[in-house]
Order: sequence, then structure tokens, then C-alpha cells
Amino acid sequence: LAKTTQPISMDSYEGQEVNITCSHNNIATNDYITWYQQFPSQGPRFIIQGYKTKVTNEVASLFIPADRKSSTLSLPRVSLSDTAVYYCLVAPEDSGGYQKVTFGTGTKLQVIP
Amino acid sequence: NAGVMQNPRHLVRRRGQEARLRCSPMKGHSHVYWYRQLPEEGLKFMVYLQKENIIDESGMPKERFSAEFPKEGPSILRIQQVVRGDSAAYFCASSPPGTANQPQHFGDGTRLSIL
Repeated sequence: LAKTTQPISMDSYEGQEVNITCSHNNIATNDYITWYQQFPSQGPRFIIQGYKTKVTNEVASLFIPADRKSSTLSLPRVSLSDTAVYYCLVAPEDSGGYQKVTFGTGTKLQVIP
Repeated sequence: NAGVMQNPRHLVRRRGQEARLRCSPMKGHSHVYWYRQLPEEGLKFMVYLQKENIIDESGMPKERFSAEFPKEGPSILRIQQVVRGDSAAYFCASSPPGTANQPQHFGDGTRLSIL
């Protein structure tokens, strides 16, 4: 399984754009990159998933360079409610057709008023 | 659409008792995963099940822990003869059948406390 490395914590002021970078040097050809958000006392919530280049949805953007050895989650104009732990996952495609994912310790984002 | 439902949200047991955690996946989802999370740590994969089948239990302790996903009803994670070290948050996730890259949808967990 590809291992991921991301900063333990980050602080940001309200209204700023936040970029969280994740390293996954051993990513395999058929791996996808997925980001989850987790609030205290809640389960992780899917944010965005991508394979290469750029993916954007109503919540965030995901930038993946050509070598796919890293990815950057971009949160535009964060608010206090974005304070959470953000997990970067690399999911291998198993022959059984399921997604065995490994969660690291994540990045604890603190948004400051 | 109801999300993944886990109950109870909080469970307190004394050492030596049994703990049963239940998970109802989202409608139409046939893949269920169980994870354990200790404070300040990420989620650790325990087991993956499809209806009536355990597909991968490589993350589950060999003793005292078992999981099932019957044809009817919720998935159950059972911990027998609980010990203090079993105290953790247990999360269930589900995903629909199909390709392996369907994101998993998580419940809000069961917080197990062992006295």
C-alpha cells in the first residue's frame, strides 16, 4: 500500500485559501487519490477524489502533478467551520473490486478568526 | 437518503463483557468496512465484508473480535471479553458495488469505553 505523508497541523485565518500537500512517492499506476475531512466525534466525510491533473467540485480543488507523487488539496476562502482533520488516502484497486484504504494521522487544520 | 447508521453511539462495558456494534449501510451499498480509531490517530482498517461474506479481515485481531454482514439486517462487529485496550471509536463505512474507486461513506461511529 502506498504510504502518505502530510503536515501534522496547519493554521489559517478566515477567508484565506488553504493548500494541504500530501506526498505519496510509491503510488501505483492504478491508485486513486482521495481526501476526507473529519470533525470531532464524527466519521470522515468524502471531499474529493482524483487520478491526475486537476479536479474541482463545490467544496475543494485537487491538484495532482504529472508524476503523481504528491497531491494538493485546495480549500478556497476557509471559514471557522472548516476546522477539522484532513486525510489524504491512496486507494489501491484490488482484484476483489474493493478499496482497502489506509488512513494516516491527517492534517489538523485550525481556522482562526 | 439515510446515511450510514451506527448504533449505539456510545457503549460502556466492563472488562470481560461482550460488546456488539451495529452498522446499517447506505441503501444500495453491499460493501461494508469497519475501522478503529484511537484518540489523535487515524482510522485503522479492521475488516471488509460483503453480504454474508468476509472478504478481508487482515486488520482484525485474531482473538475476541468477529464481524458479520448477514443477508438481512445490519453488519455486526462483536468484541468478546473486552479489555481496557479495546476502548476506541469504531467506524463503519459502506460503498456501492462496482469499481474499487467508489469513495466510502462513513457513519459517525460507536465510542466504546471499557471500565
